[in-house]
Amino acid sequence: SQKIEQNSEALNIQEGKTATLTCNYTNYSPAYLQWYRQDPGRGPVFLLLIRENEKEKRKERLKVTFDTTLKQSLFHITASQPADSATYLCALPTGANNLFFGTGTRLTVIP
Amino acid sequence: DGGITQSPKYLFRKEGQNVTLSCEQNLNHDAMYWYRQDPGQGLRLIYYSQIVNDFQKGDIAEGYSVSREKKESFPLTVTSAQKNPTAFYLCASSLDRGSQPQHFGDGTRLSIL
Repeated sequence: SQKIEQNSEALNIQEGKTATLTCNYTNYSPAYLQWYRQDPGRGPVFLLLIRENEKEKRKERLKVTFDTTLKQSLFHITASQPADSATYLCALPTGANNLFFGTGTRLTVIP
Repeated sequence: DGGITQSPKYLFRKEGQNVTLSCEQNLNHDAMYWYRQDPGQGLRLIYYSQIVNDFQKGDIAEGYSVSREKKESFPLTVTSAQKNPTAFYLCASSLDRGSQPQHFGDGTRLSIL
């Protein structure tokens, strides 16, 4: 069955540094991967989608890479700010064309 | 503004009682979904609907039921058969299934009295 591992449950980083979150997957070759942000007590918010033929995608201070050989996606936030503190989820399509979500990485940006 | 509205924000259920969680969207999306989120676990799919009057079981449908009589509405009933209903329930919608991003409501937290 599919499995997603997000690098750690929690990541603390100093303000202004680049945060790098990892999403590893097994037993699957997804056509795309999505990243979401979730704040406490709120629903996830879509951030970026990257397709298997795209190596990198950028949106403002966000950058996502997708390495289908390593079966890994990296999610970078440059010049991190305390407002970036949240849980970040990666999601992959399932065989039934739904999304399978990872457990998330809780990012804390320390002022 | 378009979006998804879930109500209530908090809900309490007595043993043996059925409760219904509301989900309404005004995004004109065809597809709708219900997820359950427990601490330390990813979102798990309960039911999904591609179109009005059609819905399919997800990975953990036992003890739950849904209906899709209108495009905008996808209510979830947590029945007494669901033995561990305490969780955070999230409703989502997307333009269609596949790679389209999912838009989420702000959830309903269900607890057992």
